[in-house]
Amino acid sequence: DAGITQSPRYKITETGRQVTLMCHQTWSHSYMFWYRQDLGHGLRLIYYSAAADITDKGEVPDGYVVSRSKTENFPLTLESATRSQTSVYFCASSEANEPYNEQFFGPGTRLTVL
Amino acid sequence: AQSVTQPDIHITVSEGASLELRCNYSYGATPYLFWYVQSPGQGLQLLLKYFSGDTLVQGIKGFEAEFKRSQSSFNLRKPSVHWSDAAEYFCAVGINDMRFGAGTRLTVKP
Repeated sequence: DAGITQSPRYKITETGRQVTLMCHQTWSHSYMFWYRQDLGHGLRLIYYSAAADITDKGEVPDGYVVSRSKTENFPLTLESATRSQTSVYFCASSEANEPYNEQFFGPGTRLTVL
Repeated sequence: AQSVTQPDIHITVSEGASLELRCNYSYGATPYLFWYVQSPGQGLQLLLKYFSGDTLVQGIKGFEAEFKRSQSSFNLRKPSVHWSDAAEYFCAVGINDMRFGAGTRLTVKP
């Protein structure tokens, strides 16, 4: 299916465990983004990537690691999950990172850290 | 400090009534402005955007927004709300990257 997908859609894990959230897009967009959504904060940018093998920090990168070996995939890893990382995570992509470019969002992953 | 503010956390309107959702920004220059909608369990979808020119912009689903430079505002409006408009609405601004407001949840009463 064309578009942007995320997996898993729901995940429950325990403090200290490693968790990887997957994101896949079929548009060949150059830019991909990871956001977290928390009540009262809207969406906050964690990391973004301009192309394969190019990543950069966003507003709240601490505790997260990303990689982008292929244009279409942009996994987000929590190396040692903490309760404060309980959130809904959205992946997005766009043709470029110009301020006027629309970002296309995946359906989200709801992560609970116990 | 640079910020995007949506003053209303939750709004309830009756079906068929008009709607206005507020958005204010604080940036040194006029940013690019967006409104996104998030239906329950879904990702965000772009409703409309403003870059320059006519300060009244039309979007999808019958929404419009007006940019007012003097008030640093970009309010979203719809003349007649439908039950399917119940969702979370996010204002966003683009300068070097995209910054989102905290969102306004819209409930539509029958």
